[in-house]
Amino acid sequence: DAGVIQSPRHEVTEMGQEVTLRCKPISGHDYLFWYRQTMMRGLELLIYFNNNVPIDDSGMPEDRFSAKMPNASFSTLKIQPSEPRDSAVYFCASSTLDGRRLTDTQYFGPGTRLTVL
Amino acid sequence: DAKTTQPNSMESNEEEPVHLPCNHSTISGTDYIHWYRQLPSQGPEYVIHGLTSNVNNRMASLAIAEDRKSSTLILHRATLRDAAVYYCILRVNNAGNMLTFGGGTRLMVKP
Repeated sequence: DAGVIQSPRHEVTEMGQEVTLRCKPISGHDYLFWYRQTMMRGLELLIYFNNNVPIDDSGMPEDRFSAKMPNASFSTLKIQPSEPRDSAVYFCASSTLDGRRLTDTQYFGPGTRLTVL
Repeated sequence: DAKTTQPNSMESNEEEPVHLPCNHSTISGTDYIHWYRQLPSQGPEYVIHGLTSNVNNRMASLAIAEDRKSSTLILHRATLRDAAVYYCILRVNNAGNMLTFGGGTRLMVKP
């Protein structure tokens, strides 16, 4: 498997523009997570889905952020309008419960580095 | 959620063992101890996890104190590629539980 795929890897945009980050989870995984990493706040969970349904979005910073998962193989995180303080690395991760190992290891993508000028 | 405490940074020499400590004095009976690491410019990756017994895998060993209030991740022979931030995380071992990352320990490996 190719692992979790994220695009774009780098995004530079101007304040006020709409930004869309994309994620393709590992095939067969039924959980998908969006995290954000900054120097100040470290790694923090934004939202996660189970079987394409949002389960917990309490980490989404404000209404400018939205996430969708229209099918099992694709998710988007949208910021509209973007602001300089949104500059961060955004990671997508996916998982499923391994009944044998009794754990659901999360597999992370390479991240999207977002810079809002 | 129960918290973990890790040193901010540690140094090691290449090909020597490394012991990365983690304190979790408020751990509950259902909490598993997970370790992830984040190599430079990459997403975090799973290293190992355990509940009560010591665990070994191809990447590392996990030694868990008898009272479970602390644990130690052991890299038997550090390589330059092991330089990363190591996160100790407590979580119930159900599918879909999120990972709550603390500050982690930045491991530097000297040649």
